[in-house]
Order: sequence, then C-alpha cells, then structure tokens
Amino acid sequence: DTGVSQNPRHKITKRGQNVTFRCDPISEHNRLYWYRQTLGQGPEFLTYFQNEAQLEKSRLLSDRFSAERPKGSFSTLEIQRTEQGDSAMYLCASSLTVAGGPSYNEQFFGPGTRLTVL
Amino acid sequence: SQQGEEDPQALSIQEGENATMNCSYKTSINNLQWYRQNSGRGLVHLILIRSNEREKHSGRLRVTLDTSKKSSSLLITASRAADTASYFCATPRSSTLGRLYFGRGTQLTVWP
Repeated sequence: DTGVSQNPRHKITKRGQNVTFRCDPISEHNRLYWYRQTLGQGPEFLTYFQNEAQLEKSRLLSDRFSAERPKGSFSTLEIQRTEQGDSAMYLCASSLTVAGGPSYNEQFFGPGTRLTVL
Repeated sequence: SQQGEEDPQALSIQEGENATMNCSYKTSINNLQWYRQNSGRGLVHLILIRSNEREKHSGRLRVTLDTSKKSSSLLITASRAADTASYFCATPRSSTLGRLYFGRGTQLTVWP
C-alpha cells in the first residue's frame, strides 16, 4: 500500500502523559499536514511542512504540541502533558507541490490516530 | 475557524435516488474540493473544482461552483448504500495554499 500511513491507529493515555504519533506520507510528496478532528466536526488544520521546513502553524497548536519532519520524509506529532480536551482523531495528509506547477492542493489523508485521554 | 459550511447537516435517501449537498464559503478561493469520510476510514478526495470552472463531472459525481454566491454543490446520482458517509467541502485560502478549511460535513445515509 503506497498511501499515507499513521501509527498508532489508537492511543489511550492518562491525563498528563506525553504521546507521540507518526505519519509516513506518500513517498514522493513534499508537503505534509496535520489536522485534528473531533466528533461531528470537520478536520481542523494544525500545521504543515514543505520538505523539512514547518511553514505554518495554527493557533490550535499550543506550546504543548510539537511537530517535526527531520528529513523531509516521515513526521511526528508530540503532545506533552495531555489533557482530556486533546481527545480527538489526529489526521495526517500529504501532497505534491511542484514549483511552477498547478497551483492547487489535493491532499491525501491517512487513516488517522484516535487519541483518548482519560 | 471553519471556512465552509455544508447543508444539510444530514441527508437520508433510498438507493437509486440522487443526493445533493451544498457548501457555502466566506472568502475568495483558488479551488474547492470535496472529500468523503466513511466510518472508520480516512478522508478520501473526491473531486477538485478550480475557481475558473463552473461545473465538473467524475463518474456519478457532479460538482458546481458559483463564485459570485460563494457556493458549491455536490450531486451524487443513482446513489448506492456504499455512498453512506460524511461529505466535506474544503477550501484553501488563496494566499496560503497549504492549509485546507473544512466544513462540518453532511452525513449521507443511503438505505438499501
């Protein structure tokens, strides 16, 4: 399967613990995005990378959240000192943006990591 | 904040009927996209329509875009039970093509 993969698929943790999620994008895609989705809502943007550079962060990304994409391939999203309000589905997506190419932005999503904070 | 809003929030139809969902957005866009999300699965990209296009087809899907009204519609013809899912419209902000803004979605249920 050459799609976007995310691990783990489910994570249950206690409040105050740290958690880390991993996303492996489609191999030739240079952009990688993180979104969060709560029940009954659409995905909300958190941050995105172009290669290894983090180009944009949402105000939703508090200082307890950190994302990295060290080699421009896979990415990790870490949440420190988790709170019950962090319970959500965390979605990763990737896309290919070519300089001078079409200026649209079709994103391919992974299955998500469902986080439950007790 | 969410850019797009889908209408209706929920839609229930019989197999074979057509389903129409609408999306309204607030600011100027470069393109508008529709995604589907099945229970337990990730978001799947269905179709993208650019701001200079008015209508686009893909299989049983037909999307229209009216930039003067800042609205789009998704029509699924001859619906099937497998079309049961949540449907979201998504728009990138023209100035920053990175992030997508999603609406809350339309939950479509197709009864056999």
